[in-house]
Amino acid sequence: GQQVMQIPQYQHVQEGEDFTTYCNSSTTLSNIQWYKQRPGGHPVFLIQLVKSGEVKKQKRLTFQFGEAKKNSSLHITATQTTDVGTYFCAGFMFSGGYNKLIFGAGTRLAVHP
Amino acid sequence: DVKVTQSSRYLVKRTGEKVFLECVQDMDHENMFWYRQDPGLGLRLIYFSYDVKMKEKGDIPEGYSVSREKKERFSLILESASTNQTSMYLCASKDRGSTDTQYFGPGTRLTVL
Repeated sequence: GQQVMQIPQYQHVQEGEDFTTYCNSSTTLSNIQWYKQRPGGHPVFLIQLVKSGEVKKQKRLTFQFGEAKKNSSLHITATQTTDVGTYFCAGFMFSGGYNKLIFGAGTRLAVHP
Repeated sequence: DVKVTQSSRYLVKRTGEKVFLECVQDMDHENMFWYRQDPGLGLRLIYFSYDVKMKEKGDIPEGYSVSREKKERFSLILESASTNQTSMYLCASKDRGSTDTQYFGPGTRLTVL
């Protein structure tokens, strides 16, 4: 079953509003990555978090990794129409004898102008 | 820049046909992956390969097989396509480091009639 849970599945906001997506794992992650997929496109790497409690910023995007390395969040301040797409978290964990990247189901963001 | 290419963007096949999806990467990456993406389920790992002629099952390998005869090429094979294999198929590659980002191809949208 799904080992990395991501919520919400879908969110629509008015342009200028903030947006947050949350990611939770059943097991401790060695790191977590975030990807963005524009409509009709493919996932593109945004950032990787490795340390417990780590916080990274990319302009209006803020990424956090929980202290227990089991959860993460992506927060977008003052959304713009260019933020539209699906945001995936992906946790790196040891599974089935190998290190694997396990993706969440994604949060689809719609921004209304 | 890493380039991952897939043989087709769109493919329509009939039930029972044998289907080959090809993926080529140009960055000499050791690791290659095949995912399928379905609404609400995110990206699910079908098979992956850590080296030439090496393959490992992912989370949903049933009905699929793979081939990695050359380092740059990873093929996904549907021996006898079925309608429940209608999906978006994404190939990815990454370097040897266990926590490196994955680079995705543009995807192949396969429809099985």
